[in-house]
Amino acid sequence: KAGVTQTPRYLIKTRGQQVTLSCSPISGHRSVSWYQQTPGQGLQFLFEYFSETQRNKGNFPGRFSGRQFSNSRSEMNVSTLELGDSALYLCASSLGTVLYEQYFGPGTRLTVT
Amino acid sequence: AQSVTQLGSHVSVSEGALVLLRCNYSSSVPPYLFWYVQYPNQGLQLLLKYTSAATLVKGINGFEAEFKKSETSFHLTKPSAHMSDAAEYFCAVSESTGGNQFYFGTGTSLTVIP
Repeated sequence: KAGVTQTPRYLIKTRGQQVTLSCSPISGHRSVSWYQQTPGQGLQFLFEYFSETQRNKGNFPGRFSGRQFSNSRSEMNVSTLELGDSALYLCASSLGTVLYEQYFGPGTRLTVT
Repeated sequence: AQSVTQLGSHVSVSEGALVLLRCNYSSSVPPYLFWYVQYPNQGLQLLLKYTSAATLVKGINGFEAEFKKSETSFHLTKPSAHMSDAAEYFCAVSESTGGNQFYFGTGTSLTVIP
């Protein structure tokens, strides 16, 4: 069974631009969560989608948004990029309604210049 | 609310020595607990999980962890460190009552000295 895939793996953007990251979960998984990982803040939860609905949201500004499609694939969008948005963005998928465990993708490394 | 504290952001052990990475949690409901490992430039890989079955949990690569409710701890151990164990380790907690959010610790970087 294929794992969680994220595209692109690396991205360089300029401050003020917007960016869209993509995540394809493991087949059959309906929950997708997004995390931001930085050296200073560690792993911070962005949001979680289940069956195309945002079920949970972390403490990030509205510039960070996401969505999930009917095939469970998810996208994350960051508008008006700031230098502080430079991070590794991780996507994780889970099977069902209770998070027994999450499976992580390799991440997208976003650099904002 | 749940939270996780990992004591020691950096741990160094000699090859062949015992590995002990500490994790304490706070949870208002019975928790699910996890240990993940992250190698450079990669995502997180599940090492092991506790979901209210046996309190001693065995994972991959010879790691194990013991859930101690009285101490609110879930420390990760491995009897003999290998060079390939050098990585970042994260402890995480989620709710067992239908919650859907993981709370991660700040991570412990393990260095194995040859």
